[in-house]
Order: sequence, then C-alpha cells, then structure tokens
Amino acid sequence: QSALTQPASVSGSPGQSITISCTGASSDIDDFNYVSWYQQHPGKAPKLLIYEVSNRPSGVSNRFSGSKSGNTASLTISGIQADDEADYYCNSHTLTNTPFLVFGGGTKLTVL
Amino acid sequence: QVQLAESGGGVVQPGRSLRLSCAASGFNFRNFGMHWVRQAPGKGLEWVAGIWYDGSNPYCADAVKGRFTISRDNSKNTVYLQMNSLRAEETAVYFCARDNGYCGNGVCYVRLDSWGQGTLVTVSS
Repeated sequence: QSALTQPASVSGSPGQSITISCTGASSDIDDFNYVSWYQQHPGKAPKLLIYEVSNRPSGVSNRFSGSKSGNTASLTISGIQADDEADYYCNSHTLTNTPFLVFGGGTKLTVL
Repeated sequence: QVQLAESGGGVVQPGRSLRLSCAASGFNFRNFGMHWVRQAPGKGLEWVAGIWYDGSNPYCADAVKGRFTISRDNSKNTVYLQMNSLRAEETAVYFCARDNGYCGNGVCYVRLDSWGQGTLVTVSS
C-alpha cells in the first residue's frame, strides 16, 4: 500500500494556527471519509486526535479540528501551545472487513 | 481506565523468531478488535496486523505476510504477535492498539483509540 503524503515539518509561534495536509492517491484509499489523525510526543505512544475526518474523541481539545477536500485531509491546530510540539500522523484504510491501514510519513510541528 | 502493556521485545538474530504479547485491562477486551503498529528508530508509524474482536479474520500487511501472525486469547485479555524470519530492517518499537471502530455491511471502520507504550525489538547479529 502506498503511503499518505504529509509535509515533513511545519512551524508556528504560540497562539497562531497551523494546518497539516495529508494527500492520498485515490486508487489506494477507497474512501477518504475515514481519515484519522494521531499526535505523538517523543518517546511516547501515539494519541488519537481526530477520526472519520473531523470527529474528536472525548477529552481532545477543540483546538484540534479536521477537514477534507477531495483526497486531501487536513488537521488544523488553533492557538498552538508549546505542548503541541510533536509529530502528527494521518491514517486511513481500505474499506473491507479486513481493513489495511496506511499511515502518512508524519509531520513534525515546531512551536517557535 | 484502558491499559495496554506490551512485552516480549528484545534482541534477536536475523532469521529467528519472537513472540510479543499485549495484556489489556480496564475494558471489555472481547468486544474490541486489536492491531499491532511498529515504528523503526527515527521513522514513522507502520501498520503490521489486525484481528477481529473474536479472533476471527486475522490479517496483516504485505510486508510481513507469511512471517508474522496475530492472534488473541480473550480468556487472558491478551493479543499476540508471532514474528518469524525476522529481518534487520524490522528493528522497531512495536505498539499494540485497541480498535474502537465498528463493522457494518461487510466493511470495518478503524479507530485506534488506545495504545500501549510499546516494546522494542532489535534484530541484529
């Protein structure tokens, strides 16, 4: 399966908003309505931030939001904080009863 | 509180085998699918394998097909990853993750909402 494409890095100053994109080849992902986003701090386990493009699990700050246009999904973090500095991964999967998962290469967010 | 604890990692020679375990607690394990995801040092996440809530339909990535097997024992609240014929490039931290998605009309929708802290597997001679 091909990887989803993310920018290697983004940066912003505290209080700014940033957006991370995730682009997939339409032939690889059956339906781009099932994109998730994960946050990973160094040495830690990933944490689910967004599922099914734009849904937040309980406990996740509303500063994190997701959207999509065509085969590009986006994660927006508003009012970024120092603790948001981490790696962010998008993820999708094939639509079968044995779904094959694909992750993006990851985006490093640096808070200046 | 959902907890997942991986174990079984270590140093193994190329071509040898290793079995990882992931012990679950804090939720009704038999109701959830489970997955293994790995991360090579300094690299991104790579999905390895998944299994349905009842142990049926284990499935894995093409990169490990025929060498790795995922299984589970719902009486022990544990999911396993049997890894055979290991390669140096499979050195990674291996995470287990709970799938809080759902299946309907022959399609399963994945949501990895809880993850363990991972166990390091080093494949080296």
